[in-house]
Amino acid sequence: DAKTTQPTSMDCAEGRAANLPCNHSTISGNEYVYWYRQIHSQGPQYIIHGLKNNETNEMASLIITEDRKSSTLILPHATLRDTAVYYCIVRSYSGNTPLVFGKGTRLSVIA
Amino acid sequence: GAVVSQHPSRVICKSGTSVKIECRSLDFQATTMFWYRQFPKQSLMLMATSNEGSKATYEQGVEKDKFLINHASLTLSTLTVTSAHPEDSSFYICSARTGSESNQPQHFGDGTRLSIL
Repeated sequence: DAKTTQPTSMDCAEGRAANLPCNHSTISGNEYVYWYRQIHSQGPQYIIHGLKNNETNEMASLIITEDRKSSTLILPHATLRDTAVYYCIVRSYSGNTPLVFGKGTRLSVIA
Repeated sequence: GAVVSQHPSRVICKSGTSVKIECRSLDFQATTMFWYRQFPKQSLMLMATSNEGSKATYEQGVEKDKFLINHASLTLSTLTVTSAHPEDSSFYICSARTGSESNQPQHFGDGTRLSIL
């Protein structure tokens, strides 16, 4: 069963911020939210992860709602190279469980 | 950052051939590695989890005798597709995570595109 819900596809103008939503209403207290992206014919690339606080790194920002039932990945200035499928995944931090991928959001950055 | 190297990147071979794919963690020790398969226009599907020095754990529906996994060291796991057939053609991707901190992200190789003629 899918633990996250994401829109199938989104478009974003080059240079604008891309805001990718993810719903994880059944998230447990010991589960992190991870974001990955997959550019065509490559392996998934790690972007960011968080538990309950907002996080920022050189690639993106992750905003998690206070109730942790949803989150948003923000690419502040999207470029054409950000066109990819973005996956939002929840995973328990206890044990050695693998990431389970859903269908993700296909982001198209348009010039 | 952590790097996972996968080799070869592409294989084309005849039906009935066995194909070995290597997955290496280049700058960290990976106590656990994961193997995924991805068909065109679909998401990644977990095939198996391999732990260094022990037998792999396979997901339901994945034949362990067809997809042999060996994780003999902390930096190398191999997947062998035995007697491959056209329906085994797919994109195979490995992933690794250190076991020291379980919230650490998994890092992925660039995948191996297997085409069986």
